[in-house]
Amino acid sequence: AQKITQTQPGMFVQEKEAVTLDCTYDTSDPSYGLFWYKQPSSGEMIFLIYQGSYDQQNATEGRYSLNFQKARKSANLVISASQLGDSAMYFCAMREVNRDDKIIFGKGTRLHILP
Amino acid sequence: DAGVIQSPRHEVTEMGQEVTLRCKPISGHNSLFWYRQTMMRGLELLIYFNNNVPIDDSGMPEDRFSAKMPNASFSTLKIQPSEPRDSAVYFCASSPLSGSGANVLTFGAGSRLTVL
Repeated sequence: AQKITQTQPGMFVQEKEAVTLDCTYDTSDPSYGLFWYKQPSSGEMIFLIYQGSYDQQNATEGRYSLNFQKARKSANLVISASQLGDSAMYFCAMREVNRDDKIIFGKGTRLHILP
Repeated sequence: DAGVIQSPRHEVTEMGQEVTLRCKPISGHNSLFWYRQTMMRGLELLIYFNNNVPIDDSGMPEDRFSAKMPNASFSTLKIQPSEPRDSAVYFCASSPLSGSGANVLTFGAGSRLTVL
């Protein structure tokens, strides 16, 4: 069963607009972490942001914020004021602490920022 | 720190040949993951190690694949014999199990494998 679901295979957004990339997850482990990674066309995997299951506040890192809705099991990435350099593949991932810290990834969303 | 180092960066081989991919994790990181990325399947977890011990190899496609971590600074992923469907980018990633940064995987640059 799919544990990380990213329902948007591709998105086109106008430059300077805000972007929301969807991610839902499935776990029975009460202790887990959620991540977002960016993969530009060059291929490297770049860590963006992390949210722990017990964190009370949504994580933020510069223009990135994670909209964490625990009851809905969603962890959407919000990019404010998008830039051309944000065009990339974005992956949501989950780490289950009580399952030996296994980390699995969703299938990704390809984001295209239009000038 | 040089980051996670993978070699080779690119490998082209013929079907049936043995392929060995190598990974040096970041010093002090005691968790190491191997992933395979393809267009069709995305990023698949193949196997991961905690403190050099394999924890979960359920993602290894079949017996042709094997992985080892003989010490804290080195891991290999071997495919023998290789097949065209093994063509993919293979990523190694490491993280600490505790303390600062425990929640962040640092990825290597990947090894792009092409099996003809």
